[in-house]
Amino acid sequence: QKEVEQNSGPLSVPEGAIASLNCTYSDRGSQSFFWYRQYSGKSPELIMFIYSNGDKEDGRFTAQLNKASQYVSLLIRDSQPSDSATYLCAVNLDYNQGGKLIFGQGTELSVKP
Amino acid sequence: KAGVTQTPRYLIKTRGQQVTLSCSPISGHRSVSWYQQTPGQGLQFLFEYFSETQRNKGNFPGRFSGRQFSNSRSEMNVSTLELGDSALYLCASSWTLGRGRDEQFFGPGTRLTVL
Repeated sequence: QKEVEQNSGPLSVPEGAIASLNCTYSDRGSQSFFWYRQYSGKSPELIMFIYSNGDKEDGRFTAQLNKASQYVSLLIRDSQPSDSATYLCAVNLDYNQGGKLIFGQGTELSVKP
Repeated sequence: KAGVTQTPRYLIKTRGQQVTLSCSPISGHRSVSWYQQTPGQGLQFLFEYFSETQRNKGNFPGRFSGRQFSNSRSEMNVSTLELGDSALYLCASSWTLGRGRDEQFFGPGTRLTVL
Protein backbone atom coordinates (compact mmCIF):
# COMPACT_ATOMS: atom_id res chain seq x y z
CA GLN A 1 0.00 0.00 0.00
CA LYS A 2 1.33 3.39 -0.96
CA GLU A 3 1.79 5.82 1.88
CA VAL A 4 -0.16 8.59 0.16
CA GLU A 5 -2.74 7.82 -2.52
CA GLN A 6 -4.59 10.06 -4.92
CA ASN A 7 -6.78 9.39 -7.92
CA SER A 8 -4.61 10.16 -10.92
CA GLY A 9 -7.50 11.54 -12.94
CA PRO A 10 -7.82 13.34 -15.13
CA LEU A 11 -10.67 15.03 -13.33
CA SER A 12 -12.65 17.21 -15.69
CA VAL A 13 -15.08 19.85 -14.42
CA PRO A 14 -16.88 22.71 -16.19
CA GLU A 15 -15.94 26.29 -15.44
CA GLY A 16 -17.72 27.56 -12.34
CA ALA A 17 -18.21 24.11 -10.82
CA ILE A 18 -16.71 22.71 -7.63
CA ALA A 19 -13.69 20.47 -8.09
CA SER A 20 -13.15 17.86 -5.38
CA LEU A 21 -9.72 16.30 -4.97
CA ASN A 22 -9.13 13.45 -2.56
CA CYS A 23 -6.16 11.94 -0.79
CA THR A 24 -5.76 9.06 1.65
CA TYR A 25 -2.72 8.25 3.75
CA SER A 26 -1.63 5.13 5.54
CA ASP A 27 0.30 6.33 8.59
CA ARG A 28 -1.91 7.29 11.53
CA GLY A 29 0.97 9.25 13.01
CA SER A 30 0.87 11.78 10.17
CA GLN A 31 0.98 15.28 11.55
CA SER A 32 0.50 17.76 8.76
CA PHE A 33 -0.99 17.82 5.31
CA PHE A 34 -0.27 19.98 2.32
CA TRP A 35 -1.76 20.63 -1.09
CA TYR A 36 0.49 21.75 -3.90
CA ARG A 37 -0.46 22.82 -7.40
CA GLN A 38 1.90 22.06 -10.26
CA TYR A 39 1.48 23.47 -13.72
CA SER A 40 3.05 21.55 -16.57
CA GLY A 41 6.76 22.27 -16.75
CA LYS A 42 6.76 24.21 -13.47
CA SER A 43 7.62 23.40 -9.87
CA PRO A 44 5.02 22.70 -7.16
CA GLU A 45 3.37 25.71 -5.53
CA LEU A 46 1.98 25.46 -1.99
CA ILE A 47 -1.70 26.40 -1.92
CA MET A 48 -3.05 24.99 1.35
CA PHE A 49 -1.94 23.29 4.53
CA ILE A 50 -3.99 21.80 7.34
CA TYR A 51 -2.99 20.34 10.69
CA SER A 52 -6.25 19.82 12.60
CA ASN A 53 -9.41 17.87 11.91
CA GLY A 54 -12.10 19.84 10.15
CA ASP A 55 -12.19 22.41 7.39
CA LYS A 56 -9.86 25.23 6.53
CA GLU A 57 -10.88 27.82 3.98
CA ASP A 58 -8.70 30.19 1.96
CA GLY A 59 -10.47 32.08 -0.78
CA ARG A 60 -11.89 29.59 -3.28
CA PHE A 61 -10.01 26.70 -1.66
CA THR A 62 -11.15 24.54 1.24
CA ALA A 63 -9.03 21.79 2.74
CA GLN A 64 -10.77 19.11 4.79
CA LEU A 65 -9.04 16.70 7.15
CA ASN A 66 -10.43 13.61 8.82
CA LYS A 67 -7.69 11.87 10.77
CA ALA A 68 -9.94 9.03 11.91
CA SER A 69 -10.60 8.10 8.29
CA GLN A 70 -7.05 9.08 7.22
CA TYR A 71 -8.47 11.27 4.53
CA VAL A 72 -7.72 14.77 3.33
CA SER A 73 -9.44 16.61 0.51
CA LEU A 74 -9.27 19.86 -1.38
CA LEU A 75 -12.33 21.63 -2.74
CA ILE A 76 -11.98 24.32 -5.36
CA ARG A 77 -15.09 26.46 -5.71
CA ASP A 78 -15.94 28.43 -8.86
CA SER A 79 -13.29 26.51 -10.82
CA GLN A 80 -11.50 28.50 -13.50
CA PRO A 81 -9.56 27.29 -16.57
CA SER A 82 -6.46 28.68 -14.85
CA ASP A 83 -6.96 26.04 -12.12
CA SER A 84 -6.12 23.34 -14.67
CA ALA A 85 -3.01 21.70 -13.23
CA THR A 86 -1.84 18.66 -11.30
CA TYR A 87 -2.67 18.80 -7.60
CA LEU A 88 -0.28 17.04 -5.25
CA CYS A 89 -1.16 15.90 -1.77
CA ALA A 90 1.77 15.74 0.65
CA VAL A 91 1.99 14.37 4.16
CA ASN A 92 4.54 14.88 6.89
CA LEU A 93 4.63 11.47 8.48
CA ASP A 94 6.12 12.10 11.85
CA TYR A 95 6.27 14.71 14.55
CA ASN A 96 10.03 14.78 14.40
CA GLN A 97 10.55 14.26 10.69
CA GLY A 98 11.15 17.89 9.96
CA GLY A 99 11.20 18.54 6.25
CA LYS A 100 10.41 15.07 4.94
CA LEU A 101 7.23 15.16 2.87
CA ILE A 102 5.70 12.11 1.24
CA PHE A 103 3.79 12.96 -1.93
CA GLY A 104 0.94 11.27 -3.72
CA GLN A 105 1.14 10.76 -7.45
CA GLY A 106 -1.05 13.79 -8.07
CA THR A 107 -4.47 14.36 -9.59
CA GLU A 108 -4.68 16.10 -12.94
CA LEU A 109 -7.51 18.63 -13.00
CA SER A 110 -8.94 20.02 -16.23
CA VAL A 111 -11.42 22.90 -16.07
CA LYS A 112 -13.34 23.28 -19.30
CA PRO A 113 -14.58 26.75 -20.34
CA LYS B 1 11.17 38.52 -0.69
CA ALA B 2 13.14 36.40 -3.13
CA GLY B 3 12.07 32.81 -3.56
CA VAL B 4 14.12 29.65 -3.65
CA THR B 5 16.70 29.69 -6.43
CA GLN B 6 18.35 26.72 -8.08
CA THR B 7 21.26 26.54 -10.47
CA PRO B 8 21.74 25.42 -13.11
CA ARG B 9 18.23 25.18 -14.54
CA TYR B 10 19.18 22.62 -17.18
CA LEU B 11 21.99 20.13 -17.36
CA ILE B 12 23.00 17.44 -19.82
CA LYS B 13 25.51 14.83 -18.73
CA THR B 14 26.63 11.40 -19.89
CA ARG B 15 26.58 8.13 -17.98
CA GLY B 16 29.36 7.80 -15.46
CA GLN B 17 29.87 11.51 -14.95
CA GLN B 18 29.04 13.34 -11.75
CA VAL B 19 26.98 16.46 -11.22
CA THR B 20 26.53 19.11 -8.54
CA LEU B 21 23.32 21.08 -8.16
CA SER B 22 22.93 24.19 -6.04
CA CYS B 23 20.03 25.60 -4.05
CA SER B 24 19.68 28.93 -2.23
CA PRO B 25 16.76 28.98 0.21
CA ILE B 26 14.42 31.83 1.00
CA SER B 27 16.15 34.31 3.29
CA GLY B 28 15.77 33.19 6.91
CA HIS B 29 14.84 29.61 6.07
CA ARG B 30 17.15 27.12 7.71
CA SER B 31 15.93 23.84 6.28
CA VAL B 32 16.55 22.67 2.74
CA SER B 33 14.99 19.48 1.38
CA TRP B 34 15.76 17.86 -1.94
CA TYR B 35 13.35 15.86 -4.10
CA GLN B 36 13.53 13.96 -7.34
CA GLN B 37 10.57 14.08 -9.71
CA THR B 38 10.10 11.61 -12.55
CA PRO B 39 6.98 10.71 -14.55
CA GLY B 40 7.02 7.16 -13.26
CA GLN B 41 7.86 7.63 -9.58
CA GLY B 42 6.49 11.10 -8.96
CA LEU B 43 8.04 13.30 -6.30
CA GLN B 44 10.40 11.40 -4.02
CA PHE B 45 12.25 12.72 -1.01
CA LEU B 46 16.04 12.58 -1.22
CA PHE B 47 17.30 14.25 1.96
CA GLU B 48 16.95 17.25 4.21
CA TYR B 49 19.57 19.51 5.72
CA PHE B 50 19.14 21.73 8.73
CA SER B 51 21.91 23.74 10.36
CA GLU B 52 24.51 22.10 8.13
CA THR B 53 23.47 18.61 9.25
CA GLN B 54 21.56 15.97 7.36
CA ARG B 55 18.37 15.51 9.37
CA ASN B 56 16.46 13.09 7.14
CA LYS B 57 17.34 10.76 4.32
CA GLY B 58 15.17 9.02 1.73
CA ASN B 59 15.68 5.68 0.04
CA PHE B 60 18.24 6.60 -2.56
CA PRO B 61 21.66 4.99 -3.15
CA GLY B 62 24.82 6.47 -1.74
CA ARG B 63 25.62 8.01 -5.12
CA PHE B 64 23.27 10.79 -4.05
CA SER B 65 24.75 13.08 -1.44
CA GLY B 66 24.40 16.61 -0.24
CA ARG B 67 25.64 19.25 2.09
CA GLN B 68 24.58 22.54 3.55
CA PHE B 69 26.69 25.59 4.20
CA SER B 70 26.60 28.03 7.10
CA ASN B 71 24.49 30.47 5.05
CA SER B 72 21.89 27.66 4.54
CA ARG B 73 22.71 27.27 0.86
CA SER B 74 22.75 23.62 -0.12
CA GLU B 75 24.28 21.46 -2.80
CA MET B 76 23.51 17.98 -3.90
CA ASN B 77 25.87 15.74 -5.78
CA VAL B 78 25.18 12.67 -7.88
CA SER B 79 28.15 10.53 -8.79
CA THR B 80 28.46 7.88 -11.48
CA LEU B 81 25.34 9.04 -13.27
CA GLU B 82 22.92 6.48 -14.67
CA LEU B 83 20.27 6.92 -17.33
CA GLY B 84 17.61 6.54 -14.65
CA ASP B 85 18.89 9.63 -12.87
CA SER B 86 17.32 11.79 -15.56
CA ALA B 87 14.75 13.80 -13.65
CA LEU B 88 13.68 17.16 -12.34
CA TYR B 89 15.54 17.84 -9.11
CA LEU B 90 13.72 20.17 -6.78
CA CYS B 91 14.80 21.79 -3.62
CA ALA B 92 12.44 23.25 -1.06
CA SER B 93 13.14 25.47 1.91
CA SER B 94 11.24 25.99 5.12
CA TRP B 95 11.48 28.02 8.29
CA THR B 96 11.25 24.88 10.42
CA LEU B 97 8.58 25.36 13.02
CA GLY B 98 9.11 21.81 14.23
CA ARG B 99 6.31 19.46 15.23
CA GLY B 100 6.06 18.37 11.59
CA ARG B 101 4.62 21.72 10.57
CA ASP B 102 7.17 22.76 8.00
CA GLU B 103 5.62 24.55 5.07
CA GLN B 104 8.01 23.96 2.22
CA PHE B 105 8.46 26.27 -0.73
CA PHE B 106 9.95 24.89 -3.90
CA GLY B 107 12.50 26.32 -6.25
CA PRO B 108 12.13 26.12 -10.05
CA GLY B 109 14.13 22.90 -10.24
CA THR B 110 17.09 21.63 -12.22
CA ARG B 111 16.24 19.46 -15.22
CA LEU B 112 18.97 16.81 -15.50
CA THR B 113 19.26 14.70 -18.62
CA VAL B 114 21.68 11.78 -18.64
CA LEU B 115 22.67 10.47 -22.06
